[in-house]
Amino acid sequence: GAGVSQSPSNKVTEKGKDVELRCDPISGHTALYWYRQSLGQGLEFLIYFQGNSAPDKSGLPSDRFSAERTGGSVSTLTIQRTQQEDSAVYLCASSLLAGAGGGELFFGEGSRLTVL
Amino acid sequence: RKEVEQDPGPFNVPEGATVAFNCTYSNSASQSFFWYRQDCRKEPKLLMSVYSSGNEDGRFTAQLNRASQYISLLIRDSKLSDSATYLCAVKSGTGGFKTIFGAGTRLFVKA
Repeated sequence: GAGVSQSPSNKVTEKGKDVELRCDPISGHTALYWYRQSLGQGLEFLIYFQGNSAPDKSGLPSDRFSAERTGGSVSTLTIQRTQQEDSAVYLCASSLLAGAGGGELFFGEGSRLTVL
Repeated sequence: RKEVEQDPGPFNVPEGATVAFNCTYSNSASQSFFWYRQDCRKEPKLLMSVYSSGNEDGRFTAQLNRASQYISLLIRDSKLSDSATYLCAVKSGTGGFKTIFGAGTRLFVKA
């Protein structure tokens, strides 16, 4: 597709279950980000994949959160043993450039996670 | 202290007003600066990049003050359609250049 694609768009799960969120970035984009946005709040940085370099995982809130990016393209964010405070919209963004250069971020529509 | 800080507002202004938002950043090594717009329940979209010399796009003017570590966005002749949340974003870091967002400033333009 032409834009960043995320799935599922909505996910309702029970506390303690694991969830996987998928992001398919724009083809050829080097950089990929995951952010979290709680209701009425700003974007909380989670993780940044920057081409072939090691990902910046400094924003992951706990060891229940992990992410991978296979083949430099699709990324999966996994949340294990979900808690109610994990409820939020998870936004994926990609950018043509990684590194110090500029680079507009293109966002997907997000995955809305609700933990009951 | 957060890396990027914004006044959350909300700013309530009448149509035709001029409104300005500021955003401060803490990392002096920051390289690139942006303003994004986010409509309710939508994803953020780039409004404009911010250059050292300042830049203008129609009714919107963005400026960067490296010495004081802030960026600003000025909206002239506000329209109802300008109602949204405005997020500043800063690309900085050492050993990696991730983009960090402020919490956003909400703007409501009223008829």
